[in-house]
Amino acid sequence: DIQMTQSPSSVSASVGDRVTITCRASQGISGWLAWYQQKPGKAPKFLIYSASTLQSGVPSRFSGSGFGTDFTLTISSLQPEDFATYYCQQANSFPLTFGGGTKVEIK
Amino acid sequence: QVQLVQSGAEVKKPGASVKVSCKASGYTFTTYGFTWVRQAPGQGLEWMGWISTYTGDTNFAQKLQGRVTMTTDTSTSTAYMELSSLRSDDTAVYYCARAIRGGVNFDYWGQGTLVTVSS
Repeated sequence: DIQMTQSPSSVSASVGDRVTITCRASQGISGWLAWYQQKPGKAPKFLIYSASTLQSGVPSRFSGSGFGTDFTLTISSLQPEDFATYYCQQANSFPLTFGGGTKVEIK
Repeated sequence: QVQLVQSGAEVKKPGASVKVSCKASGYTFTTYGFTWVRQAPGQGLEWMGWISTYTGDTNFAQKLQGRVTMTTDTSTSTAYMELSSLRSDDTAVYYCARAIRGGVNFDYWGQGTLVTVSS
């Protein structure tokens, strides 16, 4: 199975800050990476696929990049509604696997 | 609009089985498959498996092989996940999600179903 490792596990930031989250795959997955946002008590929300393509309706302050084993999710200017936990997910091969999550907290 | 509505919370004893439903609306059911993802209390997301609504093909996480069954009913646009031989570490919120792009991305999610396994 492909292991997905996210860092940091949590980050404290203020509104307006730029936040970057990293996701590393245990083996190359080309660009087959997705990102999800989850708020407490809610289902995850699909943000990005193919490493860098924004799902319809996702604000442009979110961006993704990377290829192979190393990927990043960047929020260019953190908004109050962005405080949540973010998960990466490899879409290269079954079994599909998620990273452990990165919690973005208010500083 | 696309909606996935799951069945309600369940409390089960160890060794029992649970069957969670996920009723879809707002799109043609057989166009996309379903995935099931679970989340233990305070933990991350765990992919459980995928089912094609068109062929019935499935793919399961190895750790659940033999205990999990996924089915769909095209007449009611409903997907089902059944987990047997329940253990306490199966306590989790179970989510269904529509699986797109070959079944590897999940664009719409159900609201989640809490399954508690306790004696």
